[in-house]
Amino acid sequence: GAVVSQHPSWVICKSGTSVKIECRSLDFQATTMFWYRQFPKQSLMLMATSNEGSKATYEQGVEKDKFLINHASLTLSTLTVTSAHPEDSSFYICSAPGQAYNEQFFGPGTRLTVL
Amino acid sequence: KQEVTQIPAALSVPEGENLVLNCSFTDSAIYNLQWFRQDPGKGLTSLLLIQSSQREQTSGRLNASLDKSSGRSTLYIAASQPGDSATYLCAVGGTALIFGKGTTLSVSS
Repeated sequence: GAVVSQHPSWVICKSGTSVKIECRSLDFQATTMFWYRQFPKQSLMLMATSNEGSKATYEQGVEKDKFLINHASLTLSTLTVTSAHPEDSSFYICSAPGQAYNEQFFGPGTRLTVL
Repeated sequence: KQEVTQIPAALSVPEGENLVLNCSFTDSAIYNLQWFRQDPGKGLTSLLLIQSSQREQTSGRLNASLDKSSGRSTLYIAASQPGDSATYLCAVGGTALIFGKGTTLSVSS
């Protein structure tokens, strides 16, 4: 099946700094990608939909100025957590739809820890 | 607003046992329902996808059913193995998904 990669797999940063997470579709193109966040013992929550060539669509309650999304090409979407705080510590996962009906490929996730 | 609930939150069984994981959703107007497996600190592996017009899907020892009218789905795992130990997530939607909190399964040898 198709592969979605994420980089980095984990990152530790100081409070107030910005962190960029990359999501790549390795062998297929994705005009849309999705970003999810998962807190410990909680479900994955959709944060935003990344659209190639246009602005991302954010879910209610997600600050677009804090979580900057850039869909730079048909194979790359980036999520930048700006001015990170400890409460932003979470597991961030991206996904991209495949060719088949409602097929979804998920990245391995990025563990963010903000000190 | 669609909500997805999974019961039980955790389950421990001995190897070889058959088991059922439950998922319920509040809005029956779904495109499809998917079951995923998540290993600790890892991403998601898709197990089964049931389209809204279907009632069940099977893959190996796994069988998932869907009853849209009652807002329920079950994942049946036959002859469980220690390698089945993971968190199983149920999700509904189209390309953007709404997830339950998952059932953490532990199979002892």
